[in-house]
Amino acid sequence: AQRVTQPEKLLSVFKGAPVELKCNYSYSGSPELFWYVQYSRQRLQLLLRHISRESIKGFTADLNKGETSFHLKKPFAQEEDSAMYYCALRGYNQGGKLIFGQGTELSVKP
Amino acid sequence: GAVVSQHPSRVICKSGTSVKIECRSLDFQATTMFWYRQFPKQSLMLMATSNEGSKATYEQGVEKDKFLINHASLTLSTLTVTSAHPEDSSFYICSATRQGGIYNEQFFGPGTRLTVL
Repeated sequence: AQRVTQPEKLLSVFKGAPVELKCNYSYSGSPELFWYVQYSRQRLQLLLRHISRESIKGFTADLNKGETSFHLKKPFAQEEDSAMYYCALRGYNQGGKLIFGQGTELSVKP
Repeated sequence: GAVVSQHPSRVICKSGTSVKIECRSLDFQATTMFWYRQFPKQSLMLMATSNEGSKATYEQGVEKDKFLINHASLTLSTLTVTSAHPEDSSFYICSATRQGGIYNEQFFGPGTRLTVL
């Protein structure tokens, strides 16, 4: 079964601290993995996709196929990073649909 | 570019009435549109995949007679919640995939808050 698991519902850190939002997936094959972010009162937007191996707003995520993980990391959190973060999976040849994790609320305190 | 709108942004209706929600891709043609349901601070649950000119594909457990989807053009999909009940109250979000775009990225609408009294 396809599944995305984000074990932390809430992650609270102080400004300047490192942050890691965990994501594990279950999929029999090679999926595409994404991180989406939803700031307060805004729509969901793409943050990162594993295939492009980029760093956006200081965030990076590495796909670890052995551990079936795609954790999101940032070395120094900023207050403006406070938001809901969703890890998502897209399977091959499945019409493009995304399977989302439960989401992790990141709160960065001053 | 790649803006998706939804109308209305919020709607309150009485139990038993039907509500239509529109999803439009404003500046691109969408090969596929998706409808999600989101509960407060919870995940997005995919309800159905909508392709222009064909029947929608519903996810397991989603009643197709309850949630009618029409995808009449490459820029418009509608979701009609028929005979709405309080348990249908939720945040409904659509997304669209741009035709010809690389990565087949999904662009999300702002959502529609439905409250059924």
